[in-house]
Amino acid sequence: LAKTTQPISMDSYEGQEVNITCSHNNIATNDYITWYQQFPSQGPRFIIQGYKTKVTNEVASLFIPADRKSSTLSLPRVSLSDTAVYYCLVGPRGPGNTPLVFGKGTRLSVIA
Amino acid sequence: NAGVTQTPKFQVLKTGQSMTLQCAQDMNHEYMSWYRQDPGMGLRLIHYSVGAGITDQGEVPNGYNVSRSTTEDFPLRLLSAAPSQTSVYFCASSYALGSGNTIYFGEGSWLTVV
Repeated sequence: LAKTTQPISMDSYEGQEVNITCSHNNIATNDYITWYQQFPSQGPRFIIQGYKTKVTNEVASLFIPADRKSSTLSLPRVSLSDTAVYYCLVGPRGPGNTPLVFGKGTRLSVIA
Repeated sequence: NAGVTQTPKFQVLKTGQSMTLQCAQDMNHEYMSWYRQDPGMGLRLIHYSVGAGITDQGEVPNGYNVSRSTTEDFPLRLLSAAPSQTSVYFCASSYALGSGNTIYFGEGSWLTVV
C-alpha cells in the first residue's frame, strides 16, 4: 500500500479555491488515487478518483502530474459546508494485498 | 438502496459488559471492515474480512471479535467493554480489498462505556 502524506489541517475563507496536496512517492503502476470527504458525525464518502492527468466532477477536480508521485484535490469556491476532513488513498482496483487504512487526513476549516 | 446499515446508532455500556454492533450490506461486496474513530482523530482499522468465513486483524484488534458467516453481515463483538473503547464505530464495505475500490461507510455507532 503506497504511503501517503498530506497536511494535517488547512484554513480557507468562503469563496476561495482550496487545493490539498497528497504525496505518494512509492505509487505503483496499477494504483489509483482516491479522495474521501468526512463531515462531522458521518462516515467518509467517496468524492473523486483518478489515475493520471485531470479528473473533474460536480464536487471537485483532481490533478495528477505525469510522474504520479503526488496529487492535488481542488475544491472550487468553498463554502462553510465544505468544512470536513479529506483523506487521500492510493491503491489498486480489484483484489489487493493490504486492507484499507486511512491516515489522519486533512482537516479543512472554512471561515465566513 | 440501503447500502451499509449499522445498528445500534447509540449505546451506553457499563464496564465489563459485552455487546455486538451489527453491520449489513446489500451490495454483494466481498470486503467488509470495522473502524473506530476517537474525537479529532483519524479512522483506525479494527478487523476486516475479504469474504465469508475469512477475517483478519487490523491496527487495533484487541478487545474485539468478528465473524463473517454470510457475505452480507459482519458483526463486531466487544467482549468486555472498557472506557477506552468509548468511540464512534464505522462499518464499511467495498467490492474488493484494493484501495482503488470505492469504499462505502455506514452511518456510525456511537458507543459510550462508563
